[in-house]
Amino acid sequence: KAGVTQTPRYLIKTRGQQVTLSCSPISGHRSVSWYQQTPGQGLQFLFEYFSETQRNKGNFPGRFSGRQFSNSRSEMNVSTLELGDSALYLCASSLRDRGDTEAFFGQGTRLTVV
Amino acid sequence: AQTVTQSQPEMSVQEAETVTLSCTYDTSENNYYLFWYKQPPSRQMILVIRQEAYKQQNATENRFSVNFQKAAKSFSLKISDSQLGDTAMYFCVLLARGATNKLIFGTGTLLAVQP
Repeated sequence: KAGVTQTPRYLIKTRGQQVTLSCSPISGHRSVSWYQQTPGQGLQFLFEYFSETQRNKGNFPGRFSGRQFSNSRSEMNVSTLELGDSALYLCASSLRDRGDTEAFFGQGTRLTVV
Repeated sequence: AQTVTQSQPEMSVQEAETVTLSCTYDTSENNYYLFWYKQPPSRQMILVIRQEAYKQQNATENRFSVNFQKAAKSFSLKISDSQLGDTAMYFCVLLARGATNKLIFGTGTLLAVQP
């Protein structure tokens, strides 16, 4: 059974550009969550999708957005990149939306903004 | 607000010995889950053990066990017979039960298992 797949694994972008990260959940999983991991702030929740609907959003500026497609794949987009957006972005998928099943994580996308 | 606190940024243990990682949390919810996740150098976040707040019995998974003290809002992880492969960052994580999968992470404890 394939795990959670995040692409690309590494990205280098210039300040002011925008970026799109992709997450393919485990087959059959309908919930996808995104987290930002930085040395200073640790792991912070970005947003959560279930059946193409955003159910929760973390405390991030509007430059951070996401969506989920009918096949449960999810994308997150960051516009007008800032140096502080450099981070590891992790995606997690779960079977249901109620927290009663295990969250499986991808290996992350390492974004570097220069 | 829900918070998770891990007061040990780094710990070290000799191979085959036992180590305990500490965690305290705060939530106003009555129903919630607590987890320990590990993140080795490969960055892959892996679930180690899970505890449901309404269950009084402490969870155990092979060499890993927890000490869950609900009244004190404490959730420690004990690793027995430590192995080199246990070297990783360990995160204590809180999840309020309900229509959400939003995980609240502690700051992590970097565990180094020495040969």
